[in-house]
Amino acid sequence: DAKTTQPNSMESNEEEPVHLPCNHSTISGTDYIHWYRQLPSQGPEYVIHGLTSNVNNRMASLAIAEDRKSSTLILHRATLRDAAVYYCILRDDYGGATNKLIFGTGTLLAVQP
Amino acid sequence: NAGVTQTPKFRVLKTGQSMTLLCAQDMNHEYMYWYRQDPGMGLRLIHYSVGEGTTAKGEVPDGYNVSRLKKQNFLLGLESAAPSQTSVYFCASSRTRGHSYEQYFGPGTRLTVT
Repeated sequence: DAKTTQPNSMESNEEEPVHLPCNHSTISGTDYIHWYRQLPSQGPEYVIHGLTSNVNNRMASLAIAEDRKSSTLILHRATLRDAAVYYCILRDDYGGATNKLIFGTGTLLAVQP
Repeated sequence: NAGVTQTPKFRVLKTGQSMTLLCAQDMNHEYMYWYRQDPGMGLRLIHYSVGEGTTAKGEVPDGYNVSRLKKQNFLLGLESAAPSQTSVYFCASSRTRGHSYEQYFGPGTRLTVT
């Protein structure tokens, strides 16, 4: 499985946008980019995923570089509830038949009021 | 829907004792997973199942066994607990394979082995 690199921690102010970067220089053509987040003392939850095009949903936006070697999760207006560890995960959704997720250590996002 | 539930929420074991963690999902999902999370680390996959009656090893399977006798339940067993198995255990389920199918996680079981 291709690896991802994320900053250990980031800070944001409430109601401001947050851009969480992820580098994945060894990504393969069949790897989807998945983002999950883990709120304190909870299990992870799905945020968003994409392959090549930018994606939007009610939680966030995902911007994918043209060469796919990096991506950015965008929270448009951070709230205190968005304080969590954010995981960027590559998953081979063609050859892999199991939907397995390989977690790194993620980015700890702190949101200041 | 309750989603994914885990029993128990907390447990303290002595070294050498055995226990079973129960995961249940009410979403009719085919795939189920067991992960462990140690302090300051991401989750690591222990075992997984792609259907009733089938199981497979993940990244860190040693010291654990699993069973999937019913589609909605996935059991994780520790036959002889060791302090190195002190961790938070998360269960997850997924509808089937494919990029559109996210994993849904339970709230976790915090296990301490003394």
